[in-house]
Amino acid sequence: EVELLESGGGLVKPGGSLRLSCVASGFSFNTYTMSWVRQAPGKGLEWVSAVRPSDERTFYIDSVKGRFTISRDNSRNTLYLQMDSLRVEDTAIYYCVKESPYTTPRMYYFESWGQGILITVSS
Amino acid sequence: VLTQSPDTLSLSPGERVTLSCRASQGVGNRYLAWYQQKSGHTPRLLIYGASTRATGIPDRFSGSGSGTDFTLTISRLEPEDFAVYYCQQFDGSVWTFGQGTKVEVK
Repeated sequence: EVELLESGGGLVKPGGSLRLSCVASGFSFNTYTMSWVRQAPGKGLEWVSAVRPSDERTFYIDSVKGRFTISRDNSRNTLYLQMDSLRVEDTAIYYCVKESPYTTPRMYYFESWGQGILITVSS
Repeated sequence: VLTQSPDTLSLSPGERVTLSCRASQGVGNRYLAWYQQKSGHTPRLLIYGASTRATGIPDRFSGSGSGTDFTLTISRLEPEDFAVYYCQQFDGSVWTFGQGTKVEVK
């Protein structure tokens, strides 16, 4: 069974930093692209960032470029999100997400979601 | 950009539901998915490839469409189907969600 367990959330002041971690189990972590998706209170879903499994190429939504850094440690089955220069508008539940497998042809979707972790940016 | 309509639907159990997702540019079917999110819960994959049901999804859920117009249909609304529904697309480097359609009890 796939499990994605996020940690590292909490309350931080504007301009501060946090690092989220997501420990994965139940699948071959090193063969899947992994993403972070967030959801502000009462709002919709917003994809934040992704990292490929092998070349570890990274992708970001424009609003977090230069502030957030996604990374992964395939030896530890762990995904990270380093969040710097945090803003009030970054307040959200952050979900660790396992993307669809590399099939032929590949279909694109988010296959599994963690339970999410709350980040609150407030003074 | 993905635009879903309507924002809210007020319906009764047993009714047929049709949710719309319109893309600002053409989307290949392989890149279009639908999710359900119940209040206080994690999103759940319903449909991928625009029309393929995910594992364990009841056959009252169906997806259709192509190009810029996609539809999620619930043939007969069950009490557990009241939730927010999101469409999603991938353009090769960025994932985008629609703003969601809330299906609520009338």
